[in-house]
Amino acid sequence: TQLLEQSPQFLSIQEGENLTVYCNSSSVFSSLQWYRQEPGEGPVLLVTVVTGGEVKKLKRLTFQFGDARKDSSLHITAAQPGDTGLYLCAGAGAGSYQLTFGKGTKLSVIP
Amino acid sequence: GAGVSQSPRYKVTKRGQDVALRCDPISGHVSLYWYRQALGQGPEFLTYFNYEAQQDKSGLPNDRFSAERPEGSISTLTIQRTEQRDSAMYRCASSLAETGGWYEKLFFGSGTQLSVL
Repeated sequence: TQLLEQSPQFLSIQEGENLTVYCNSSSVFSSLQWYRQEPGEGPVLLVTVVTGGEVKKLKRLTFQFGDARKDSSLHITAAQPGDTGLYLCAGAGAGSYQLTFGKGTKLSVIP
Repeated sequence: GAGVSQSPRYKVTKRGQDVALRCDPISGHVSLYWYRQALGQGPEFLTYFNYEAQQDKSGLPNDRFSAERPEGSISTLTIQRTEQRDSAMYRCASSLAETGGWYEKLFFGSGTQLSVL
C-alpha cells in the first residue's frame, strides 16, 4: 500500500508570510498532484509534477517533486487570505487508476 | 453541465436501509471515479470506470458496496444494508482521458454527504 504523509497537519499564519508544506512517502510515484479544497467543495487540481527534481511555479505557489519521486513540497510566498483551504497531495503509481491521497494540510491565513 | 454533478447533496438514512448515490460526469468524460472522504481527510479510492466498464473496484470496502455506469455516462453507487460506519462524504470525479494513469486531470463533484443513523 502506498501512503502519503503530509505535514504539518494544521498551519495558521499571518497574511504576507511565507510557508512550505510537505508530502512524503516511502514509495515511488510516477506523478504527484497537488489539490486545494475549500469547505463544502471537491478538491481542485493545482498542478501535476512528473519528473524527479521538477519545479513548477503557479503565481505565488512553487511546487517541487523530489529527485527520487518519493516526496514533494508546496511553497507559498506572501500568503493571502484567499489561500486558506485544505491542501492535498496525491500520487499515482505507474499505470495505476488510483490516486492515493494524503490527509492534507489545513491552512489558515489570517488577515 | 459545466461540472460534475452529484445528487442528492445530503442523504440521511436509517441503519439497514439501502441508498443510491448518483453521479453525472462532465459531458464527454470517459473516466469516472468514486472516492470516499472522511471529515478532515483526503479522498479514499473506491472504484473506477472506463466508459461503462468497471476497471477497478478494489477500493470498495465490502460486498454491500456496488457501482454501475450502464451507458458510460451517469453512474450510481449503491450501498446496501447501510451501517453507521458508512457515514462519510462520497465524491465522484471524472476525466477526459480514456485510460487511467498519471496524466489525468480529475474534476471532482461537490459530493453526497451520507449520514447513517
